[in-house]
Amino acid sequence: AQSVSQHNHHVILSEAASLELGCNYSYGGTVNLFWYVQYPGQHLQLLLKYFSGDPLVKGIKGFEAEFIKSKFSFNLRKPSVQWSDTAEYFCAVRTGANNLFFGTGTRLTVIP
Amino acid sequence: NAGVMQNPRHLVRRRGQEARLRCSPMKGHSHVYWYRQLPEEGLKFMVYLQKENIIDESGMPKERFSAEFPKEGPSILRIQQVVRGDSAAYFCASSPTTLSSGANVLTFGAGSRLTVL
Repeated sequence: AQSVSQHNHHVILSEAASLELGCNYSYGGTVNLFWYVQYPGQHLQLLLKYFSGDPLVKGIKGFEAEFIKSKFSFNLRKPSVQWSDTAEYFCAVRTGANNLFFGTGTRLTVIP
Repeated sequence: NAGVMQNPRHLVRRRGQEARLRCSPMKGHSHVYWYRQLPEEGLKFMVYLQKENIIDESGMPKERFSAEFPKEGPSILRIQQVVRGDSAAYFCASSPTTLSSGANVLTFGAGSRLTVL
């Protein structure tokens, strides 16, 4: 069965620190990959997505993610976080089915 | 464009009561998905509907839960005889066509938080 793993449950960083959130999935076929963000009290918003082509994708607010097929990974990165990046981040994978499989989420707290 | 609208945002029910959660997809979207987020867990797929059809309900509990998306009006997730374990955030998402066709993504609503006393 497909699964998505986010090993970091809670990450605490100071402003200007670099961020990398891990995401691994288990599925051997073609995948579409997503990162969603949920700011406190708000709905999930799409940060970035990978469908095909360049494995390094750029998203909104300075986020990027790299698809490494050999490692079944799609880690999220940002070179310098801000206090406003405090949120919960969800990795999601779509395989052949018409739905997304989500990871358990990583809560990011950025300290001013 | 108002986006995906869910109501109520917060719902409190006592054990044994019924809960009804509504979702209006984005304008032009005819595909609706329901997800449940339990405390300390990620979003779990429940059901995928198109107008008047349930396409995939593989994530729905076998009893007490049902969903519909009528020709007119919002999609409704109904939970009968609620229990404390049903307390969760229920998110609705929509897409213009099937996710497998092209580069479609899901647009989520703000969620409905159900608390069962």
